[in-house]
Amino acid sequence: QKEVEQDPGPLSVPEGAIVSLNCTYSNSAFQYFMWYRQYSRKGPELLMYTYSSGNKEDGRFTAQVDKSSKYISLFIRDSQPSDSATYLCAMSVGRTNNDMRFGAGTRLTVKP
Amino acid sequence: SQTIHQWPATLVQPVGSPLSLECTVEGTSNPNLYWYRQAAGRGLQLLFYSVGIGQISSEVPQNLSASRPQDRQFILSSKKLLLSDSGFYLCAWSRTGLNEKLFFGSGTQLSVL
Repeated sequence: QKEVEQDPGPLSVPEGAIVSLNCTYSNSAFQYFMWYRQYSRKGPELLMYTYSSGNKEDGRFTAQVDKSSKYISLFIRDSQPSDSATYLCAMSVGRTNNDMRFGAGTRLTVKP
Repeated sequence: SQTIHQWPATLVQPVGSPLSLECTVEGTSNPNLYWYRQAAGRGLQLLFYSVGIGQISSEVPQNLSASRPQDRQFILSSKKLLLSDSGFYLCAWSRTGLNEKLFFGSGTQLSVL
């Protein structure tokens, strides 16, 4: 079993839709959770950074962490064509510099 | 503000040739530096990280090596490339310490033919 599982998609939605992206994980020691957006042939860009369980909102983006279920989500409201990208989840225990683990990424297309 | 530069953006190299990818960070001092490789459909794989000049930790044994000759410079090298070295290479930095956010460069698409 992979430490971090992420459905690769692809996911296609119409403009204005609410998008839900998810990751599951197996290591209960993870306590820092991140979402990155990666445009084609570019480096990942940090979108959301959360600690432990709960919700965090930033504009149209909401990150949710449910540590009891080992499940994290990223919601995008009023999706735009410019949101079309690959979204990577990442998580770390936070005890060393090399313990961050990434999901494989979900490719999202928002159609106008 | 901090910026990270990585070059070249694209590289095509023959099997057996050497490799040198360079990454520099501006606007911060003593950053942690990282080299990742991203294969299609797979998560990012950490190759090397460095917490200071001359301090390199290797995560995956292979024919790649890394060096940090200056505080904000990180170099990924190979003496002889293999076909399996093809991939998207990403440099990243974070502030000193644990639990710090990771910021990525724009990446290098390496094709070994």
